[in-house]
Amino acid sequence: RKEVEQDPGPFNVPEGATVAFNCTYSNSASQSFFWYRQDCRKEPKLLMSVYSSGNEDGRFTAQLNRASQYISLLIRDSKLSDSATYLCVVNINTGNQFYFGTGTSLTVIP
Amino acid sequence: DAGITQSPRYKITETGRQVTLMCHQIWSHSYMFWYRQDLGHGLRLIYYSAAADITDKGEVPDGYVVSRSKTENFPLTLESATRSQTSVYFCASRQGAQDKNIQYFGAGTRLSVL
Repeated sequence: RKEVEQDPGPFNVPEGATVAFNCTYSNSASQSFFWYRQDCRKEPKLLMSVYSSGNEDGRFTAQLNRASQYISLLIRDSKLSDSATYLCVVNINTGNQFYFGTGTSLTVIP
Repeated sequence: DAGITQSPRYKITETGRQVTLMCHQIWSHSYMFWYRQDLGHGLRLIYYSAAADITDKGEVPDGYVVSRSKTENFPLTLESATRSQTSVYFCASRQGAQDKNIQYFGAGTRLSVL
């Protein structure tokens, strides 16, 4: 069983739409959670960390549900520039066990 | 801003050859990582290092060797390249507990083993 599972998509949404991605993790000892963004053939870049109480950064909202072991990312008012692959990342301990999902592909259509 | 650089960016080699991928970071971050990214697998950890002269295996270490004689450099060597090692390799670093485990990635090395 993979440590982190994501729906690969693709998600094709019109500009201005709201889209949500979910990610599940298998290890209940997971401590830190992140969403990274990866553009085609580029390196992953941190989009946002995910905190227990949920957090928001502009049009992006991240939620964590420890009981069900999933995290989510909500993107409101989608822009063309949001087109990318979104990676769910889980840290098992405060050391170096980072596990990446395979990514969810988003294309925002004019 | 290229705080972490990888070289070469592209490499084609033949089966059985030794290949070294370089990684350099300017921040003196304690932790450095090597990942490979393949379709259907996402990023998988090959090796990591907590400090100079301290390295440890990740999820997929077989066929790879690392060293870390200086804090800023973390080369990855494929001792005898195989076709299954064709992949995109990313190096990453993080400072430590202070930065809440955020990793910063290099631009990647695309390696093809023929």
